[in-house]
Amino acid sequence: GAGVSQSPSNKVTEKGKDVELRCDPISGHTALYWYRQSLGQGLEFLIYFQGNSAPDKSGLPSDRFSAERTGGSVSTLTIQRTQQEDSAVYLCASSFWASQETQYFGPGTRLLVL
Amino acid sequence: KQEVTQIPAALSVPEGENLVLNCSFTDSAIYNLQWFRQDPGKGLTSLLLIQSSQREQTSGRLNASLDKSSGRSTLYIAASQPGDSATYLCAVRDSNYQLIWGAGTKLIIKP
Repeated sequence: GAGVSQSPSNKVTEKGKDVELRCDPISGHTALYWYRQSLGQGLEFLIYFQGNSAPDKSGLPSDRFSAERTGGSVSTLTIQRTQQEDSAVYLCASSFWASQETQYFGPGTRLLVL
Repeated sequence: KQEVTQIPAALSVPEGENLVLNCSFTDSAIYNLQWFRQDPGKGLTSLLLIQSSQREQTSGRLNASLDKSSGRSTLYIAASQPGDSATYLCAVRDSNYQLIWGAGTKLIIKP
């Protein structure tokens, strides 16, 4: 079926506004991951879901970041009161199970906070 | 704390050359190491995965090696082509089963 999709592909917002980023995983994949990629840096793990549960939220940078997943499918990453340092590419990946080695990545959402 | 470093940050070579990308990690207690390719506006694609017990993996013109004791991996690309131009990322799966990523090497193959 189709690969992992993310929307929007680009988002420009003003400092202090809230943003929602969406991820549609590959159909049937139970595990879903969010990463952040800042300019010139490696991917930073944010959170992962197994089904609708998030066993590991350790990577969320602050309480302004939250994520949810409903119906074991679509996930949204919400950033409240955005700051300029939140500007980055947010990548989503999915895999059949959380322990599966191969993660399939979406194209990312490029977020710019002015 | 596991840290992954990729050198160089950018590399430009003429088409047809063989080249080597480097990845180093600070903690040898890893489950595996993966090399990914990232194209602009697209997601990451897994190229090769080397388990901690393995020394190398090959796929077509790509060969990845792993020396766990020295904390090093190399990705060898033979007979480079313009289509190989991309950013190459290295990631290790650490003892907590987390993926720890390098910052990548941006490769440009000049026709």
